[in-house]
Amino acid sequence: KNQVEQSPQSLIILEGKNCTLQCNYTVSPFSNLRWYKQDTGRGPVSLTIMTFSENTKSNGRYTATLDADTKQSSLHITASQLSDSASYICVVTRLLSNMLTFGGGTRLMVKP
Amino acid sequence: DTGVSQDPRHKITKRGQNVTFRCDPISEHNRLYWYRQTLGQGPEFLTYFQNEAQLEKSRLLSDRFSAERPKGSFSTLEIQRTEQGDSAMYLCASSPRDWDGTYEQYFGPGTRLTVT
Repeated sequence: KNQVEQSPQSLIILEGKNCTLQCNYTVSPFSNLRWYKQDTGRGPVSLTIMTFSENTKSNGRYTATLDADTKQSSLHITASQLSDSASYICVVTRLLSNMLTFGGGTRLMVKP
Repeated sequence: DTGVSQDPRHKITKRGQNVTFRCDPISEHNRLYWYRQTLGQGPEFLTYFQNEAQLEKSRLLSDRFSAERPKGSFSTLEIQRTEQGDSAMYLCASSPRDWDGTYEQYFGPGTRLTVT
């Protein structure tokens, strides 16, 4: 079983709408959680990083939240744009490890 | 463009052939990582270098796979006797010397391998 589970697997929304992507993890002990955006055929690009003590972080129209007690994170996208169409990947790092554990991603499609 | 480059971007090979991929990290980054990503899945960790030393290897890295970073700069990933199951995107990432424990990683564009 993957230690990082994301939902939904795919999502279609209309341009201008908001959406929230979910990430649940079991990786322990926890160091930090990241959200990456990956365009088709490209490498992932970091959106946010949150450590244990942080429960929210924003990057423009992207806002990530973290509840380390319930081991859940969300990525909220506000006023979606066509260029937001991509896969969004939740990544968790175990404490004292350089190994990242990736979720399977949520494939977002924004339609005009 | 994150500054991490990979070559080639695409490789088509026949089963049983050997292939080698190259990654050039951001110049001041001392850490370099290799990942494999299959369609519709998140990347999976393969191996990690700190300078020229290979410090971690995943169980996914079978003995047909070998990675090197001889001078602590660029790295190569070689797959011997390729199998159709090796078809995937191979991603490289680099990160600077840790200062706050977050090990921010910057990914290259990937090499898409297709084994026929």
